[in-house]
Amino acid sequence: AQTVTQSQPEMSVQEAETVTLSCTYDTSESDYYLFWYKQPPSRQMILVIRQEAYKQQNATENRFSVNFQKAAKSFSLKISDSQLGDAAMYFCAYRSNNNDMRFGAGTRLTVKP
Amino acid sequence: DAMVIQNPRYQVTQFGKPVTLSCSQTLNHNVMYWYQQKSSQAPKLLFHYYDKDFNNEADTPDNFQSRRPNTSFCFLDIRSPGLGDAAMYLCATSRDTGTGRSPLHFGNGTRLTVT
Repeated sequence: AQTVTQSQPEMSVQEAETVTLSCTYDTSESDYYLFWYKQPPSRQMILVIRQEAYKQQNATENRFSVNFQKAAKSFSLKISDSQLGDAAMYFCAYRSNNNDMRFGAGTRLTVKP
Repeated sequence: DAMVIQNPRYQVTQFGKPVTLSCSQTLNHNVMYWYQQKSSQAPKLLFHYYDKDFNNEADTPDNFQSRRPNTSFCFLDIRSPGLGDAAMYLCATSRDTGTGRSPLHFGNGTRLTVT
């Protein structure tokens, strides 16, 4: 079974600075998709960014980018120019072709003004 | 706006008293999911529907059941809630494309308290 590991339970960053959240996963499949989701306190889980495993180019969405290392099975999220509204739980997720989506344990990000 | 709606937002039930949580969607997605999320933990997949095909996770307790009467609605039934079933329950949908490319779209969740 696929597993997703987020080794940082908590991270903090100063406003306007850059932070990187780590994620590793374990799979024997070659075709899959990776996601980062954001869950603000008491609010809905929303998609931040998606990466297709067959693409070598790292995905980017405005201030959010990933460092995808397929051989190392690593998928980190970089948040640039951090804003107070970025404070949330961030979940890394793995999905293959069988419709299941598996989540890591999450990283709680605090943004300091 | 197309969305995933969960009702109620907060639900209190008594130990052993059956409870049903509801989810509806206007996205016309063919896959619907139920996740259980306990405080500061990862969402745990309970089961999902691919159209009307029900897919149960191996470790989902028999106490949890689900119904999907049509594309738009899905229900989570907890037959005899225990104190350990207190959690946030998340409903999600996705559009199956034959790959895992489509993201999940989540509702706001229902927070279940068992007294």
